[in-house]
Amino acid sequence: DTAVSQTPKYLVTQMGNDKSIKCEQNLGHDTMYWYKQDSKKFLKIMFSYNNKELIINETVPNRFSPKSPDKAHLNLHINSLELGDSAVYFCASKDRGLRGTEAFFGQGTRLTVV
Amino acid sequence: AQSVTQPDIHITVSEGASLELRCNYSYGATPYLFWYVQSPGQGLQLLLKYFSGDTLVQGIKGFEAEFKRSQSSFNLRKPSVHWSDAAEYFCAVGNFGNEKLTFGTGTRLTIIP
Repeated sequence: DTAVSQTPKYLVTQMGNDKSIKCEQNLGHDTMYWYKQDSKKFLKIMFSYNNKELIINETVPNRFSPKSPDKAHLNLHINSLELGDSAVYFCASKDRGLRGTEAFFGQGTRLTVV
Repeated sequence: AQSVTQPDIHITVSEGASLELRCNYSYGATPYLFWYVQSPGQGLQLLLKYFSGDTLVQGIKGFEAEFKRSQSSFNLRKPSVHWSDAAEYFCAVGNFGNEKLTFGTGTRLTIIP
């Protein structure tokens, strides 16, 4: 079974649309993340949630709204999509605290805005 | 603020040759250090990690890395590369507390026959 799964894997949409990406982890982790990887492969953290509570918000436009219905899920909703939002979005999860600090990543969602 | 520098954007090595990918970090306390690999169209897979203890850490696929505090480095090595090692390699630094992983810009590894 996939540890961190994201859907969809590919998403092509027009400018101005609203879209969501879903993420689920079955590792029992407390912390989940969204990372954005741009066309130059640079990975930058967007958000982090711990037990459904937002703990990191890295100056992301408020068109991006994460939602965590429970600690196993962290979805990303994007309003009014722009061309610059085209990227690969990775969800990740990790245990919080001394038990382990490595992050496990999903396969990514390639978002293309046309 | 924590940061990671990977000075080599692209490295080409022959199959069977040795490999060293460089990583320098900036962090005020003892860092947690990671190397991840990303194959084309795939997510990131952890190769190895350093938290404490022995500064030479072994990872999967025959990779190892050495933490050198005096040089703020965590270079990745492999004695003999295989064609399947062609991928993008990311060094990352984290710390217990703010739960944030900061990545370097990555090094693309090309293997030639």
